Amino acid sequence: DTEVTQTPKHLVMGMTNKKSLKCEQHMGHRAMYWYKQKAKKPPELMFVYSYEKLSINESVPSRFSPECPNSSLLNLHLHALQPEDSALYLCASSHVAGVTGELFFGEGSRLTVL
Amino acid sequence: AQKVTQAQTEISVVEKEDVTLDCVYETRDTTYYLFWYKQPPSGELVFLIRRNSFDEQNEISGRYSWNFQKSTSSFNFTITASQVVDSAVYFCALSEAGNTPLVFGKGTRLSVIA
Repeated sequence: DTEVTQTPKHLVMGMTNKKSLKCEQHMGHRAMYWYKQKAKKPPELMFVYSYEKLSINESVPSRFSPECPNSSLLNLHLHALQPEDSALYLCASSHVAGVTGELFFGEGSRLTVL
Repeated sequence: AQKVTQAQTEISVVEKEDVTLDCVYETRDTTYYLFWYKQPPSGELVFLIRRNSFDEQNEISGRYSWNFQKSTSSFNFTITASQVVDSAVYFCALSEAGNTPLVFGKGTRLSVIA
């Protein structure tokens, strides 16, 4: 079982809806990440939080709004999404941001935008 | 700029066959890290190995082995006596020293047929 927990596992939303994806880890990691993965493509980095502060935003549209309430939680708020935003959204964590250790990934939240 | 190439899009083998997944990388840094991740149908990315650029020793872990060759910028992954549970998408990834995010290859989908 993965030590990074993501909810919900599946989400269907309309283009006018507001929803949130949640991610939780209790490994004491201080870096957390959101990745987006389209079908048959590799994961693409969206955001990196380091010590609860946003350190990397890979030019993600503002309809995606990340939030890191504390070192264990990471949210991704969704608003006014487009059908092309349908994808698997993966959360990951690591001891610290950077490459000194592995990334631990959750199972993802599969999002469908109608 | 860093780049990872996994030329094999899909591979299909019969159970108990050996299979090698290729990974070629490009980087201008002398310090970098290479990774392999497995993504089973459940979605999460499972860390398999990390190798830094100064450690060219090959590694074996059970049925898995990795061949790191700096001279050819390759970091190939071999599964010996493949099993159906090995069926997954395998990603090779690279990160340069410092706070740079992982860059993933496009992945190789491995199907092991009973």
